Amino acid sequence: KAGVTQTPRYLIKTRGQQVTLSCSPISGHRSVSWYQQTPGQGLQFLFEYFSETQRNKGNFPGRFSGRQFSNSRSEMNVSTLELGDSALYLCASSPGGRRTEAFFGQGTRLTVV
Amino acid sequence: DQQVKQNSPSLSVQEGRISILNCDYTNSMFDYFLWYKKYPAEGPTFLISISSIKDKNEDGRFTVFLNKSAKHLSLHIVPSQPGDSAVYFCAASSFSGGYNKLIFGAGTRLAVHP
Repeated sequence: KAGVTQTPRYLIKTRGQQVTLSCSPISGHRSVSWYQQTPGQGLQFLFEYFSETQRNKGNFPGRFSGRQFSNSRSEMNVSTLELGDSALYLCASSPGGRRTEAFFGQGTRLTVV
Repeated sequence: DQQVKQNSPSLSVQEGRISILNCDYTNSMFDYFLWYKKYPAEGPTFLISISSIKDKNEDGRFTVFLNKSAKHLSLHIVPSQPGDSAVYFCAASSFSGGYNKLIFGAGTRLAVHP
């Protein structure tokens, strides 16, 4: 069974630009969550999608948005990039039921210059 | 508001000894707890979990203990091996509104030296 795939692995963008990150969950998983990891901050929850609907959202500005497609693949978009958006962005998939662990992709390392 | 706290940013242990990683939480609605391990440039890997109806769960060298009254959980690794050197994240979840939301701690970097 293929794992969670995130593309691209690395990205360098200029301040003010926008970026789109992609995540393909494990086959059969309907829940996709996005996290931001910065040094010393752990994993900060961005949002979660289930069956194309955003079920939950973390405390991030509206510049951060996402969507999920009918095949459960998900995209995350960040507009008007700021230097502080430089981070590792992680996607996690799970079946979506009760008490199921999340499986993470390798992440996309975004650097804003 | 940090609902899940890992107060030790780092831990150094000798190979063969026990590693104990600690985690505290504040939300009494959490009913499921997980530990993840993360190597550099990789995503976190699920390690072990425990439901709030239990106080201990064991999987090989890894044991997680839960003390609900103290809102504290710990991960024990025995014996520790150099390959265990990684960042360990504690996570907690509550099943609310029909779904789980995982809240992570800041992580503890474990270094196991020969």
